[in-house]
Amino acid sequence: KAGVTQTPRYLIKTRGQQVTLSCSPISGHRSVSWYQQTPGQGLQFLFEYFSETQRNKGNFPGRFSGRQFSNSRSEMNVSTLELGDSALYLCASRVEGASNEQFFGPGTRLTVL
Amino acid sequence: DQQVKQNSPSLSVQEGRISILNCDYTNSMFDYFLWYKKYPAEGPTFLISISSIKDKNEDGRFTVFLNKSAKHLSLHIVPSQPGDSAVYFCAASDVGDSDKLVFGAGTILRVKS
Repeated sequence: KAGVTQTPRYLIKTRGQQVTLSCSPISGHRSVSWYQQTPGQGLQFLFEYFSETQRNKGNFPGRFSGRQFSNSRSEMNVSTLELGDSALYLCASRVEGASNEQFFGPGTRLTVL
Repeated sequence: DQQVKQNSPSLSVQEGRISILNCDYTNSMFDYFLWYKKYPAEGPTFLISISSIKDKNEDGRFTVFLNKSAKHLSLHIVPSQPGDSAVYFCAASDVGDSDKLVFGAGTILRVKS
């Protein structure tokens, strides 16, 4: 079974621009979560989608948004990029009703200049 | 407010010896705990988990211990191998918010041969 895939793997943007990141979960997984990883901060929860609905949201500003499609693929969007948005963005999927174990993709490394 | 804390940024261990990684949490609602391992340029990989109804879970060389009264858990790796060198993240979730994992900042483990 293919794992979680994320595109692109690397991205360079400038302040003020917007960016869209994509995530394809493991086949059969309907829950997709997004996390931001910065040095020394671990992984910070952004939001979680299930059946095209946002079920949970972390403490990030409204510039961070996401959506999920009927095939469970998910996108996250960051508008008006700031230097502090430079991070590794990780997507994770899991099977609903199973353990809390989430399966992570390799991440998208975003650099904001 | 860091609800999950990994106070040791790094740990160095000799091959064949025991590695002990520690994690403390503050939220008494957490009822499920996980350890993830992360190599550079890859997403976190699930290692082992433990429910709050247990105090120990073992899987091969990996054992997780949970001390609920102290709000403390630890991951023991015995024997340590050079391939175990990675960043280890402790994560927790609570029964009312099981889709959201709260991560610690991570501990870099170096196993010397």
